Amino acid sequence: GQQVMQIPQYQHVQEGEDFTTYCNSSTTLSNIQWYKQRPGGHPVFLIQLVKSGEVKKQKRLTFQFGEAKKNSSLHITATQTTDVGTYFCASPSGGYQKVTFGTGTKLQVIP
Amino acid sequence: DAGITQSPRHKVTETGTPVTLRCHQTENHRYMYWYRQDPGHGLRLIHYSYGVKDTDKGEVSDGYSVSRSKTEDFLLTLESATSSQTSVYFCAIAGTGHTGELFFGEGSRLTVL
Repeated sequence: GQQVMQIPQYQHVQEGEDFTTYCNSSTTLSNIQWYKQRPGGHPVFLIQLVKSGEVKKQKRLTFQFGEAKKNSSLHITATQTTDVGTYFCASPSGGYQKVTFGTGTKLQVIP
Repeated sequence: DAGITQSPRHKVTETGTPVTLRCHQTENHRYMYWYRQDPGHGLRLIHYSYGVKDTDKGEVSDGYSVSRSKTEDFLLTLESATSSQTSVYFCAIAGTGHTGELFFGEGSRLTVL
């Protein structure tokens, strides 16, 4: 089945530093979604990318979808303590029927 | 919030006992999902449903069964719980917008002793 690998598994950054997490697939993805899960919480949808080479921004967050639609990244500029949590990429297959998640990147921000 | 309620939120049980987790939605969404979350494994799909009485297996379905007799309820059953099924279980529904994003419930923490 479809597998999405996500790196790194953990990342500690000093507040104000940048952070990037990457998702890679061996197969072409129809689209990719990103979610954030705060400690003790549930995953919350952030964004979806559909087009090859697509770049979207949400304030300090920049999301990219690779040209071959096999990889994606989430970059956070100047991290804040509110960015703490685990970030997941996810990709649907078979329409909306199966949504497979990456293993997640746990971000810790040191004040 | 997307109107998803999971119950129970916390449960401790013993090996070999049956356990049923309930997911209830008020949004009339067609697609519903059960995931389990474990450290180092992210979110893994157990079963999903694409309509009343229509369900299919995910990547870690062994030891689990599901039922959906009404649009609003999706039940996950562990017929005979094992310690390896200790986990946090999340229910999700797929939004009706074109993005198909998932909305998650608060989670059910299950401990099997």
